[in-house]
Amino acid sequence: ETGVTQTPRHLVMGMTNKKSLKCEQHLGHNAMYWYKQSAKKPLELMFVYSLEERVENNSVPSRFSPECPNSSHLFLHLHTLQPEDSALYLCASSPTSGGADEQFFGPGTRLTVL
Amino acid sequence: AQKVTQAQTEISVVEKEDVTLDCVYETRDTTYYLFWYKQPPSGELVFLIRRNSFDEQNEISGRYSWNFQKSTSSFNFTITASQVVDSAVYFCALSGPVYNFNKFYFGSGTKLNVKP
Repeated sequence: ETGVTQTPRHLVMGMTNKKSLKCEQHLGHNAMYWYKQSAKKPLELMFVYSLEERVENNSVPSRFSPECPNSSHLFLHLHTLQPEDSALYLCASSPTSGGADEQFFGPGTRLTVL
Repeated sequence: AQKVTQAQTEISVVEKEDVTLDCVYETRDTTYYLFWYKQPPSGELVFLIRRNSFDEQNEISGRYSWNFQKSTSSFNFTITASQVVDSAVYFCALSGPVYNFNKFYFGSGTKLNVKP
């Protein structure tokens, strides 16, 4: 596989469920990101990891818990979500975490919270 | 504070028309980077172009061209002879100096509908 992959592509969960989103990049990049894309809102940066260390947590509720076990994999663990958390969750990677690098995005996970 | 404004929420054109998508940005940094991304219905954002603040040359890539003007803090994107496959949401984004971590500030996007 090439680029950035995300699984699952679609997820429906109840408010009491626990689920995880997975992102994998095959580009040899050192930085990875989680974004939330809601209808009619700009993309919201949630978390940034550089060389497996979290460098940004953008005031995200604790019901979202990221994990970066290595530079190729990024997870977003979800628990006790709210209906307003329904959105497209996008993963991205870049060669470094420096400001000049373009980010490469995965196809996203469409999350619906019932 | 950094901010990107894409005032056009949605644009509809007929195939073969030219269309310009506007992007206005705000930043206090003297070194910064501007990007355009395309998001087709499949959801994946596709990188189109990066421009640094010291390079004001306009760029052309096939039917795509970009006009960067620091004087008006704008980085507009023109599609010439639009095609149905150009239908997508287009995002403009701004990031800071190299020594900052790579935080992108995205505009709210412009949805382009190209009708046959």
